[in-house]
Amino acid sequence: GAVVSQHPSWVICKSGTSVKIECRSLDFQATTMFWYRQFPKQSLMLMATSNEGSKATYEQGVEKDKFLINHASLTLSTLTVTSAHPEDSSFYICSASEGGSYGYTFGSGTRLTVV
Amino acid sequence: EDQVTQSPEALRLQEGESSSLNCSYTVSGLRGLFWYRQDPGKGPEFLFTLYSAGEEKEKERLKATLTKKESFLHITAPKPEDSATYLCAVQVNQAGTALIFGKGTTLSVSS
Repeated sequence: GAVVSQHPSWVICKSGTSVKIECRSLDFQATTMFWYRQFPKQSLMLMATSNEGSKATYEQGVEKDKFLINHASLTLSTLTVTSAHPEDSSFYICSASEGGSYGYTFGSGTRLTVV
Repeated sequence: EDQVTQSPEALRLQEGESSSLNCSYTVSGLRGLFWYRQDPGKGPEFLFTLYSAGEEKEKERLKATLTKKESFLHITAPKPEDSATYLCAVQVNQAGTALIFGKGTTLSVSS
């Protein structure tokens, strides 16, 4: 089945630094990728949608200058958290879709802790 | 506004005690309803997709059903390894749009 690889699984960074999270579709071409954030005991909240070669579409309230999304190829999307602060600590999950009636495959998530 | 509501928020069962989880939705145009399982610290794992009222799908001890307003995830004779958070999500309007998730039901099965 479809597999999405997300790295790193967890990362600890100092306040003010930037962190990059990678999301790769291993056996299919992802026309669309989605980035979610999940707080403890909460559901997945959509942050942004990205299509290969296009600028990402951010949800209301998500700072595009803080959460930089790049979808340079059909198999790779990256999320960079710039100038991270403790309130950015969360569980970030990517999802990829081949489009049409195909399903959505999720990565294993990245636990970000900003100290 | 499109909305997905799951109940109960948490459910504790004894091993072998069957039950059902509910997912009710209010959306403008349902294309598909998805069920996922999520273990702590991991991403959601796909279980089922349902597309039309009356549709049913089964996988081992799980069975998902769909009506025009809600979906049920029936768990028959659960085992401790079925303990997880079960997420319901809907795809609306057009293909390729992001899923809208409910808050999930956390299931605990004790032996």
